[in-house]
Amino acid sequence: TQLLEQSPQFLSIQEGENLTVYCNSSSVFSSLQWYRQEPGEGPVLLVTVVTGGEVKKLKRLTFQFGDARKDSSLHITAAQPGDTGLYLCAAEMDSSYKLIFGSGTRLLVRP
Amino acid sequence: ETGVTQTPRHLVMGMTNKKSLKCEQHLGHNAMYWYKQSAKKPLELMFVYNFKEQTENNSVPSRFSPECPNSSHLFLHLHTLQPEDSALYLCASSQVAGNRGTDTQYFGPGTRLTVL
Repeated sequence: TQLLEQSPQFLSIQEGENLTVYCNSSSVFSSLQWYRQEPGEGPVLLVTVVTGGEVKKLKRLTFQFGDARKDSSLHITAAQPGDTGLYLCAAEMDSSYKLIFGSGTRLLVRP
Repeated sequence: ETGVTQTPRHLVMGMTNKKSLKCEQHLGHNAMYWYKQSAKKPLELMFVYNFKEQTENNSVPSRFSPECPNSSHLFLHLHTLQPEDSALYLCASSQVAGNRGTDTQYFGPGTRLTVL
């Protein structure tokens, strides 16, 4: 049983389109992080959210943490080919400081 | 460039070989981590070292043996691996393991391991 479910698993869109990816769990998180991983590289941290209901923006990326701290979403506006990559969510559960990773959403933005 | 380097980047080994993966961080961090990333499973934490002491072994088989001689270097010694051990092995470092919500992990590029 996976603690963190990410959806969709794969997403192929045209440049300029908007998209949202989701990260869900039945457990409560003390904090949640989003990473992007490009081929041949390790994951790179995009954002950390810690407060229920929190919204953070990073240029065209908007991150939201659910009120109950069990889910999160990442919305990309006007996607560009440079956004292509594997998007991973990772959570610290209340019971442990260790990071639990989701299985990822593989995004392809076609020019 | 995240300040965490890993060598080799690619490794092919037989099941009877012994090899070692190396990780070095130039960030002045005190915690280092080994993760395994397989094609069909989420990124899995293997080991955590905090101030050179192992604080986490996530039920990893003994054919994987970590070593942390100092806060900047981390090794993963491999022996008698199985084909299902083929994966991307990622090293990460952070300021201190256990600082909830404030400790950012920086990942290296990984070693792509293939076990024949």
